[in-house]
Amino acid sequence: QKEVEQDPGPLSVPEGAIVSLNCTYSNSAFQYFMWYRQYSRKGPELLMYTYSSGNKEDGRFTAQVDKSSKYISLFIRDSQPSDSATYLCAMSGGSSASKIIFGSGTRLSIRP
Amino acid sequence: GAVVSQHPSWVICKSGTSVKIECRSLDFQATTMFWYRQFPKQSLMLMATSNEGSKATYEQGVEKDKFLINHASLTLSTLTVTSAHPEDSSFYICSAGLAGGQNNEQFFGPGTRLTVL
Repeated sequence: QKEVEQDPGPLSVPEGAIVSLNCTYSNSAFQYFMWYRQYSRKGPELLMYTYSSGNKEDGRFTAQVDKSSKYISLFIRDSQPSDSATYLCAMSGGSSASKIIFGSGTRLSIRP
Repeated sequence: GAVVSQHPSWVICKSGTSVKIECRSLDFQATTMFWYRQFPKQSLMLMATSNEGSKATYEQGVEKDKFLINHASLTLSTLTVTSAHPEDSSFYICSAGLAGGQNNEQFFGPGTRLTVL
C-alpha cells in the first residue's frame, strides 16, 4: 500500500464549477499537508500548506484535513481554464520530518 | 521571494557522458536542498537530501556513485548524472528548504529535462 493515494484522473469540469480533489494516506504521523499545482514541464508550485487538522482558505482555494479519517481535500471554487494543471497532494512529518511524500497527482482540465 | 532556479532547463546528451544540473536559491539561504526525479505522468520521487557542507543522504535504490550531489554553499547544489544511459532520461527537480522557515516548507525549481540518446 502506498503511503499516499491520489486518483490520477483525468478530471474534466466546465468553467465555473467547484472542483474537489482528494487524497488518503496511511501514516498517522504526518503533520504537514500541502497541495501543489504543476503545469506541464514545470516545477510544482505550492498552493496550500496546512498543519494538522482543520480548514484553510485562500481566495478560491480551500484545503481541508481530517486526520481522524486520514483524508485531505482541496476545493477550487469558480474554476477557470487557467486552473488546468496537475494537482499533487503532499505530506510530511514523522521520523524524517523534512521528507515530503507526494501523491501521484490528479490531472485537471477546466473546459471553457 | 523564495525563488529557486535550475540550469539548464533541458539537456540532451549521448549515452555514457556526464551531465551536471545546478540548483540555486536566488533570494534566500537554503540549508537543505532536495533532488527529485519525475517520470512522465508520475509523481515526484525523492532521490536525495543534501545539507550544506555535508554528504547527501540518498533514498533507497538511488545509486550515490551515479548521482553525485554537491552542496557547497547555502545557495547552490549540483546534481551530476555520471555515465548517463537512456533510462536516466527524466525530469529532475530540485527544491530548497528555507532556513528558519516553516517546518518542511520547500520551494521548487522549474525542473531540468534530461534526454539521453
